[in-house]
Amino acid sequence: GDSVTQTEGPVTLSEGTSLTVNCSYETKQYPTLFWYVQYPGEGPQLLFKVPKANEKGSNRGFEATYNKEATSFHLQKASVQESDSAVYYCALSHTNAYKVIFGKGTHLHVLP
Amino acid sequence: GPKVLQIPSHQIIDMGQMVTLNCDPVSNHLYFYWYKQILGQQMEFLVNFYNGKVMEKSKLFKDQFSVERPDGSYFTLKIQPTALEDSAVYFCASSQTGKDTQYFGPGTRLLVL
Repeated sequence: GDSVTQTEGPVTLSEGTSLTVNCSYETKQYPTLFWYVQYPGEGPQLLFKVPKANEKGSNRGFEATYNKEATSFHLQKASVQESDSAVYYCALSHTNAYKVIFGKGTHLHVLP
Repeated sequence: GPKVLQIPSHQIIDMGQMVTLNCDPVSNHLYFYWYKQILGQQMEFLVNFYNGKVMEKSKLFKDQFSVERPDGSYFTLKIQPTALEDSAVYFCASSQTGKDTQYFGPGTRLLVL
């Protein structure tokens, strides 16, 4: 079945350093890929999504490229801030299904 | 952005009792979802509901589970009877269409003793 695997956390970084959270997926279909972010006490909210292979999504300085050949969708940010501390979920869905399939989440701590 | 509300935020009940989790979806959304997250594990899809019907459900959506949204009020997940393995955080989500972005609530933390 479909699955998403991402970097296990927690990940602790100092402010101003770069971030990479690895994400790989398995599916026999052609998915839309997502990154969600969850802040304490809130539900996951969409960071961005990419429906097409070889395209890049971005928001708030975060970006990821849909790599169909490598089945990867790694999240990157050049310079993290303390306010980026949260849990990040990689996820996928299909055009013929309603559900979103999530990875386990990566807890990011950014130290001032 | 659009907000989904969930009531209550926490619930503790004894095994075998019934529990109802309530979700107030985004006002113009037509598709509703429940997901379950056991501590330390990933969030997993339970069910999708549209136009008064279950459209899709996973194997986690046991016979003891039911969903409804009577007359545009709360979208509810009922578990009757509850079991120890039902302890989890339950997230509600809604979307305008079945293909649009799903907006999630903050979750209800259910503990079954």
